[in-house]
Amino acid sequence: DQQVKQNSPSLSVQEGRISILNCDYTNSMFDYFLWYKKYPAEGPTFLISISSIKDKNEDGRFTVFLNKSAKHLSLHIVPSQPGDSAVYFCAGRVYYGGSQGNLIFGKGTKLSVKP
Amino acid sequence: NAGVMQNPRHLVRRRGQEARLRCSPMKGHSHVYWYRQLPEEGLKFMVYLQKENIIDESGMPKERFSAEFPKEGPSILRIQQVVRGDSAAYFCASSPERLEAFFGQGTRLTVV
Repeated sequence: DQQVKQNSPSLSVQEGRISILNCDYTNSMFDYFLWYKKYPAEGPTFLISISSIKDKNEDGRFTVFLNKSAKHLSLHIVPSQPGDSAVYFCAGRVYYGGSQGNLIFGKGTKLSVKP
Repeated sequence: NAGVMQNPRHLVRRRGQEARLRCSPMKGHSHVYWYRQLPEEGLKFMVYLQKENIIDESGMPKERFSAEFPKEGPSILRIQQVVRGDSAAYFCASSPERLEAFFGQGTRLTVV
């Protein structure tokens, strides 16, 4: 039972263009969504998050959009750079209360930005 | 402030041996999570711990796997009687009492 789905295993984009990474979820109880970036042989690093009560969050070249009715979110990278080439994981947070929460990840999308 | 430290980075075990994976969270972080990444798969949640407590172990296999986060020292993920299917990258993450989790570089377990 996959609660977070990233249906595109890979994406190839030209440098300078927009990269759009998609994510769907089934668990209505997620209170936050996060995007992580992972290079080979390294641990994932946090990129950007969005609260479930928001529909957009922007940080520099990265913008995350949330469509709650469709249970869909997307990460936009503009402009894309070769250094953005990595695997991107979408995650939903299950909130237990207080300070306790847990992250459920999708399978990731491998982004390749070509110079 | 050092990041999340995992050791060893690479671990080779023969079938039937025990594997012990260690994770030292970032200073001041009281939440620890363990994830497993199989080849061509995403990060699968295994267990969530706070100091001396297991909060959620719903992702842990019922047998052979255990985890602890003692009052002093690192968090340990223990796999007894390893099998080939246990070969994977195991990631630990820690967080303070807020949203984002910080990941270590992972331990790559190979069972031969």
